[in-house]
Amino acid sequence: GAGVSQSPSNKVTEKGKDVELRCDPISGHTALYWYRQSLGQGLEFLIYFQGNSAPDKSGLPSDRFSAERTGGSVSTLTIQRTQQEDSAVYLCASSFDRGGEKLFFGSGTQLSVL
Amino acid sequence: GENVEQHPSTLSVQEGDSAVIKCTYSDSASNYFPWYKQELGKRPQLIIDIRSNVGEKKDQRIAVTLNKTAKHFSLHITETQPEDSAVYFCAARSNFGNEKLTFGTGTRLTIIP
Repeated sequence: GAGVSQSPSNKVTEKGKDVELRCDPISGHTALYWYRQSLGQGLEFLIYFQGNSAPDKSGLPSDRFSAERTGGSVSTLTIQRTQQEDSAVYLCASSFDRGGEKLFFGSGTQLSVL
Repeated sequence: GENVEQHPSTLSVQEGDSAVIKCTYSDSASNYFPWYKQELGKRPQLIIDIRSNVGEKKDQRIAVTLNKTAKHFSLHITETQPEDSAVYFCAARSNFGNEKLTFGTGTRLTIIP
């Protein structure tokens, strides 16, 4: 595709439910990042995939959060038993080379946990 | 791991004046330093980047300077315009390990007409 695609663009869920957020990176991009951005706040790093290497999960805030990247392309971020504090915009970004050079961001998924 | 600090968190300047945003990093092995601009309600976009073998880079009204010895780098915007109003993020990437990009906390720049 022409850019990084994320779906859904908006997700409203009830506290305690599980959600899955999807990211389609630009074709051929080996690096993929997930970030969380609360209203008016900075980019909170969640997880980083680089090629076939083991992902860097150091930013995941709890074991309710997990992510996978299948076939080096599409990535899914899963949040189990959602809490109200999980409400935020979840941004995905990809780059062609290692290390996030020239990252291209998706438009994000706005998650609201009621 | 890398730690990037960014200052100020908010900045207001008169239209036409210059704006400077500063970042420091902790990992002396870092070799790549991009800046991203995020306009209200939009996704972050790369506006300029610099590598550790260069001290300064310019692109029209924006410039970035890097001081490797002091481990700090700065974004300079001259002749500011209303469309420069946005949140700006600096970042640093280490040359070792998994080469993860680490972002600063952001600066909200407001241009006063």
